[in-house]
Amino acid sequence: DTAVSQTPKYLVTQMGNDKSIKCEQNLGHDTMYWYKQDSKKFLKIMFSYNNKELIINETVPNRFSPKSPDKAHLNLHINSLELGDSAVYFCASSSYYGYTFGSGTRLTVV
Amino acid sequence: GQQLNQSPQSMFIQEGEDVSMNCTSSSIFNTWLWYKQDPGEGPVLLIALYKAGELTSNGRLTAQFGITRKDSFLNISASIPSDVGIYFCAGQGGEKLTFGTGTRLTIIP
Repeated sequence: DTAVSQTPKYLVTQMGNDKSIKCEQNLGHDTMYWYKQDSKKFLKIMFSYNNKELIINETVPNRFSPKSPDKAHLNLHINSLELGDSAVYFCASSSYYGYTFGSGTRLTVV
Repeated sequence: GQQLNQSPQSMFIQEGEDVSMNCTSSSIFNTWLWYKQDPGEGPVLLIALYKAGELTSNGRLTAQFGITRKDSFLNISASIPSDVGIYFCAGQGGEKLTFGTGTRLTIIP
């Protein structure tokens, strides 16, 4: 059983398109996150939700809109994609004992 | 945004050698974590440190939480081929993890 699963694994799309990445966790964690990893492998938090409530929004362009329909799901919708949005996006969830990351979605904007 | 300084940036070692990497921050963290990332995968937790001065081992891995709470190191003893990957330190403040810049470990045959 995959603890934190993201779909799709790879996403190639043209500039200007709108796309979504889905994330689900079956760990019963209350808090979920989106992190972005750039080409230099630097990992930076984008958003955090606790029990469907937004608690962290790290100066991300408003073209990025997270949505949490329930505490097991946190989706990321991106409007008007730009070349600079190309990166690997990781979903994660956490409990007191630590974080669990998904395997990532590699987004390539052409 | 804040970034933790991690060194070295990359290491090329022979199998069997010991490895040491460290992480420093301008801010205090209450928890330090060390992660490993394999290609095409997300980071996986190796060791978590919760108290200043704490020294914790996990098999061949040993990590310490600095007394000032602004630094940490990770040692890997007797490296093996599956140790190859990128190692990240992370400081936890509240719900947020701040990651280091990563150390890429390569093992030379």
